[in-house]
Parts: sequence; structure tokens; C-alpha cells
Amino acid sequence: DIWLTQSPLSLPVTLGQPASISCRSSQSLVYSDGETYLNWFQKRPGQSPRRLIYKVSNRDAGVPDRFSGSGSGTDFTLKISRVEADDVGIYYCMQGTHWPQGYTFGQGTKLEIK
Amino acid sequence: EVQLVESGGGVVQPGGSLRLSCAASGFSFGNYWMSWVRQAPGKGLEWVANIKQDVSEKYYVESVKGRFTISRDNARNSLFLQMNSLRDEDTAVYYCARDTDCNTRNCRGAAFDYWGQGTQVTVSS
Repeated sequence: DIWLTQSPLSLPVTLGQPASISCRSSQSLVYSDGETYLNWFQKRPGQSPRRLIYKVSNRDAGVPDRFSGSGSGTDFTLKISRVEADDVGIYYCMQGTHWPQGYTFGQGTKLEIK
Repeated sequence: EVQLVESGGGVVQPGGSLRLSCAASGFSFGNYWMSWVRQAPGKGLEWVANIKQDVSEKYYVESVKGRFTISRDNARNSLFLQMNSLRDEDTAVYYCARDTDCNTRNCRGAAFDYWGQGTQVTVSS
């Protein structure tokens, strides 16, 4: 089984300040095609999950460039350059490398405004 | 515009059954794997099951194997989840999500670019 461990689990941030979330995998997420299938999702209260980043660092359409993803192998990071009130929610990483037998999500990181 | 609309949730007693549906539009449904993902109260996201374009492959999270069955009807652009022998721990919001367009075993893709609004399933006596 693949485990994704996120940190921190709670992230209070002042408006306008940066935020960073770590996601560590129990196994390498590099696939045989050379790609790494690690996605990031945002879950706002009362809304459906929204994919922000796919394959480590590719922003989905409509996602502000304040959001960026990086990392390789087993260590990945989601960064928000300047937190806005709209960013409040829970952020999840998810691996799709070890598919289709199952996708794995991290535990989630709750971002709140300080 | 891609749309996924779930229905069929409700309140059911432990041991009971429910059938969830997901109506898809705005894309070539038959070209994509499809998944169900759930979120229990106060918990994180959990992938539940997925199904290949031609229904030849289906996969489940261990906790629902033997109780849940995923199916699809490409002619009706619809995805289903038959849930039997429901337990308290199955209480969650269930989301339908578009999976990858992979059609070979060695293919990998970027899944879950579109999600439905979710349907609430409550298992309670």
C-alpha cells in the first residue's frame, strides 16, 4: 500500500502571507514513463473538491498562479504565494502512479486565516 | 461544459442497500474511466471504486469489496454504485469523478479533473 503523509495538518496563515504544504509518499511516485502522477486538490466548505495541480507542477485551467506545485520522487510541496480569504479549506495530495488498483489521498491540510 | 450530477443518496438502516447514479454530460463519457470518491463526516477524501471505459476492469477499496458494485451505461452516459450491506462507516458524501482516458494497462493519466456536487448517504438505525 502507498501512504501519503501531509504536513502540517493545520495551517493558520495571515492574509497576504505565503503558505506551504508538504506531501511525502511511502514509495516513489515516478512511473515507468518518467512522469510523476501526484495531484493536489482544494476542498472548500460546502463545495466539491477541485483539482489545482496535476503531475506535480501543472496548474489546472482557471487556477490562480499564486498556487504552485513542486517536488520529485517521494517529496512534494504545494505553495501559495500570497494567501487570500478564498483559499480557506482543506488541501489534499493524491497519487495516481500506482493505479488503477487504487488512488491514495493524503490526510488533508486545513488552511485557515489567522 | 462538463457536468456530473449524482443522485440516489438518502438515509438507510445498517444492512440496507442504496443505488447511486451519476449523469454525465459535456464530454465523451465512453472515453473515460470513472470513479466514486467519498468523504465521511470529519474525515478526508477516500477513493471508493473505478471502472474502465468498456467495463472490463473494476477496482474497489478493500473496505467495500464484496458489498459495493460499480457499473456504467455508456449509451446513457451514466455511472452507478450499488451499495449493499451498508454499515455505519459508509456514511459519507459520495462524489462521482472523471478518471483518466487511459485505455492500456501501462497508461497513466491525471485523474479527477471534474467532480459532481456529491450525494449524501447516511447509514443509521
